[in-house]
Amino acid sequence: AQSVSQHNHHVILSEAASLELGCNYSYGGTVNLFWYVQYPGQHLQLLLKYFSGDPLVKGIKGFEAEFIKSKFSFNLRKPSVQWSDTAEYFCAGGGYQKVTFGTGTKLQVIP
Amino acid sequence: DAMVIQNPRYQVTQFGKPVTLSCSQTLNHNVMYWYQQKSSQAPKLLFHYYDKDFNNEADTPDNFQSRRPNTSFCFLDIRSPGLGDAAMYLCATSRGSQGFGETQYFGPGTRLLVL
Repeated sequence: AQSVSQHNHHVILSEAASLELGCNYSYGGTVNLFWYVQYPGQHLQLLLKYFSGDPLVKGIKGFEAEFIKSKFSFNLRKPSVQWSDTAEYFCAGGGYQKVTFGTGTKLQVIP
Repeated sequence: DAMVIQNPRYQVTQFGKPVTLSCSQTLNHNVMYWYQQKSSQAPKLLFHYYDKDFNNEADTPDNFQSRRPNTSFCFLDIRSPGLGDAAMYLCATSRGSQGFGETQYFGPGTRLLVL
């Protein structure tokens, strides 16, 4: 069965700190991986996605994620976070027309 | 500018009283999804439509039904809401042209409270 797990439920960082949020997946078919973000009071929106090709994927607002097949991981990174990155981050893995979401990581950035 | 619209944003209903949540889209996407999200949990897919083709998840209770009268609109009907159905309900769309790796576009959600 397809599953996605996120290890960190709540992360607190100071501005300018580096960020890495973990995501592991288990899926036997074609791997499509996503990171979605939900800013306070806003709807879920796509941050970045991996479908094929270069395993290092760059998204909006300076975020990137690396697909490591051997580790079944798709961790999200940002070298220097800002207060405006405070949000909830969801990793998701997709099959045909559907995705399975992780439980989310709430990131709080302290000015 | 709104792309996926959900009404109402907050819905209060009584135990056992049928309720309908509404979703509309201006993206002309083929696929529309309904998710249930409870506090601190992952969004859980209930069902989705590819055009008029309805795809129900195996573990979606019979209490949940959906209708898609046209491309733009999709409804979630909860026939007899229980206390356990209180949650945020998210509607999303995708183009449906690729199948794999498609971005989903989400609405703001409807928070359902069951008294």
